[in-house]
Amino acid sequence: AQTVTQSQPEMSVQEAETVTLSCTYDTSENNYYLFWYKQPPSRQMILVIRQEAYKQQNATENRFSVNFQKAAKSFSLKISDSQLGDTAMYFCAFMNYNDYKLSFGAGTTVTVRA
Amino acid sequence: DAGVTQSPTHLIKTRGQHVTLRCSPISGHKSVSWYQQVLGQGPQFIFQYYEKEERGRGNFPDRFSARQFPNYSSELNVNALLLGDSALYLCASSLRTGGTDTQYFGPGTRLTVL
Repeated sequence: AQTVTQSQPEMSVQEAETVTLSCTYDTSENNYYLFWYKQPPSRQMILVIRQEAYKQQNATENRFSVNFQKAAKSFSLKISDSQLGDTAMYFCAFMNYNDYKLSFGAGTTVTVRA
Repeated sequence: DAGVTQSPTHLIKTRGQHVTLRCSPISGHKSVSWYQQVLGQGPQFIFQYYEKEERGRGNFPDRFSARQFPNYSSELNVNALLLGDSALYLCASSLRTGGTDTQYFGPGTRLTVL
């Protein structure tokens, strides 16, 4: 079974600054997908960014970027120019290539301060 | 286009009762997955249905069952409710099954068992 570990339960960041969330995972597979989902206080889970393991280039979506280190099984999320609307719970998730289910970490609560 | 919808939003039941939760996927999506999110934790996979067939099942007791209808909507049923079943139940839809297609989540149903 795959496990996803998010070691930071809570993070706080000043508006306009940068915050990095860590995620490590454990798998024996070579092909898989990694995701970061955001769950604001209104609770609807939203996909932030995804990464295919076979791609060496780190994924970027506007202010969100990842640092994917396959050998280290690490997948961190960087939020640049933090905005108040970024306040949410962030979940790291994993899916094997031929699988169908997402395995989630415990989440990191991010609070952006004005 | 409408996103994933779930009903009801909130539900209060007593131990031993039965509950049915409903999910309508995004138009054109043929796969529906169900996840249980206990407060303060990441979602845990319960079921996935694709083209009306069960694609996979997580580590949940037989009290949990689901089905998918010809219009691709889905129901999650839980029998003999326990206090520990209190959670947010999330439905996610995707075009097909597998990691190539992103799972889009609904707002969830908050189930409280007294």
